[in-house]
Amino acid sequence: EPEVTQTPSHQVTQMGQEVILRCVPISNHLYFYWYRQILGQKVEFLVSFYNNEISEKSEIFDDQFSVERPDGSNFTLKIRSTKLEDSAMYFCAGWTSGDDEQYFGPGTRLTVT
Amino acid sequence: RKEVEQDPGPFNVPEGATVAFNCTYSNSASQSFFWYRQDCRKEPKLLMSVYSSGNEDGRFTAQLNRASQYISLLIRDSKLSDSATYLCVVNLDSNYQLIWGAGTKLIIKP
Repeated sequence: EPEVTQTPSHQVTQMGQEVILRCVPISNHLYFYWYRQILGQKVEFLVSFYNNEISEKSEIFDDQFSVERPDGSNFTLKIRSTKLEDSAMYFCAGWTSGDDEQYFGPGTRLTVT
Repeated sequence: RKEVEQDPGPFNVPEGATVAFNCTYSNSASQSFFWYRQDCRKEPKLLMSVYSSGNEDGRFTAQLNRASQYISLLIRDSKLSDSATYLCVVNLDSNYQLIWGAGTKLIIKP
């Protein structure tokens, strides 16, 4: 069964550093998403991406965040200057029309110190 | 104002019992509805979609009441492996942006 993969599984970084979280979605998916979940809190939508551009983004997704799909395979989330409050699990998900389900990757745990 | 609201629990339930969770959503334009299951520090996984007519999958039954903006999940004959957090999720639009409840924690005790 095809699956979404994410790397790294755990990233530790210092405040102010840039991080790039990587995702390889399922190949026939057309819509891609990033969500985050701060420990003990709910899953929060960050951004959706379709046809090589952002289709929607939340208030959380400010100028410090960016996404791209440079090679038609990897889907990345970049945080330019990390803050302590960026510490969370970051989940990538994909979907295609006609499907009920968004398929999630296992997540990257980001720890900002 | 919370868009999707759930009782956080935890619900401590003996094995074999029936347990029900409820969820309310605030946006009447919500288009589709789901229950996801999340194990500790893992990704959410779809348990079932929720249809207007109600739907059943084995021991799990989901109901939707659009007029009251209310979704329910019933688990019959609960198993130890049902212990998890159950997330109520709604989709607002054609981009399939999901809005998540904070989850209800279920603990099944032997």
